[in-house]
Amino acid sequence: NAGVTQTPKFRILKIGQSMTLQCAQDMNHNYMYWYRQDPGMGLKLIYYSVGAGITDKGEVPNGYNVSRSTTEDFPLRLELAAPSQTSVYFCASRPTAGAPWQETQYFGPGTRLLVL
Amino acid sequence: GESVGLHLPTLSVQEGDNSIINCAYSNSASDYFIWYKQESGKGPQFIIDIRSNMDKRQGQRVTVLLNKTVKHLSLQIAATQPGDSAVYFCAEKSTGGFKTIFGAGTRLFVKA
Repeated sequence: NAGVTQTPKFRILKIGQSMTLQCAQDMNHNYMYWYRQDPGMGLKLIYYSVGAGITDKGEVPNGYNVSRSTTEDFPLRLELAAPSQTSVYFCASRPTAGAPWQETQYFGPGTRLLVL
Repeated sequence: GESVGLHLPTLSVQEGDNSIINCAYSNSASDYFIWYKQESGKGPQFIIDIRSNMDKRQGQRVTVLLNKTVKHLSLQIAATQPGDSAVYFCAEKSTGGFKTIFGAGTRLFVKA
């Protein structure tokens, strides 16, 4: 299994541009998440999905949109990029029910985004 | 609001010594706690977890201790190695919940 993959690894955007961060997992996980990590900080949840066709907002959803048309893919869309969106973006997934009490998430390698 | 935080932002230890990374949580409803390790340029990786019905859980060279009375969590790394240098996050969630709350992280430096 490739696990969770993210593309691109790095991107520079101009203010006002748009882009889509791609995330895919091949573990047949139902739950998927998008986080952002600012320098020296922890992870903040942007959006999450509990299955194809179902998405919901996290702590910091403003300026982002998501879709979940398949179990495997969970793209994150940035509309009208702003400098405040400069961050590292992590996608994660987990099964609906793993071991009886193991609900850990599997993370992708991240996408580093710079908005100038 | 609810939060998970760490007492020390950075920790420097000598190779071979034991490391202790601390974490405080405030959500009484949380009953599942996880420690993640994040190496430079990579995503967080699961280390060990513990449920609220346990006080201690051991893995390979790592031990997690949970004190529900004072809402405190700690990660102990035995015989710390250079490869342990990373940022360590504690995280909390409620069973059946969709969201995991992450702390700010502690950076561990291992001196040779």
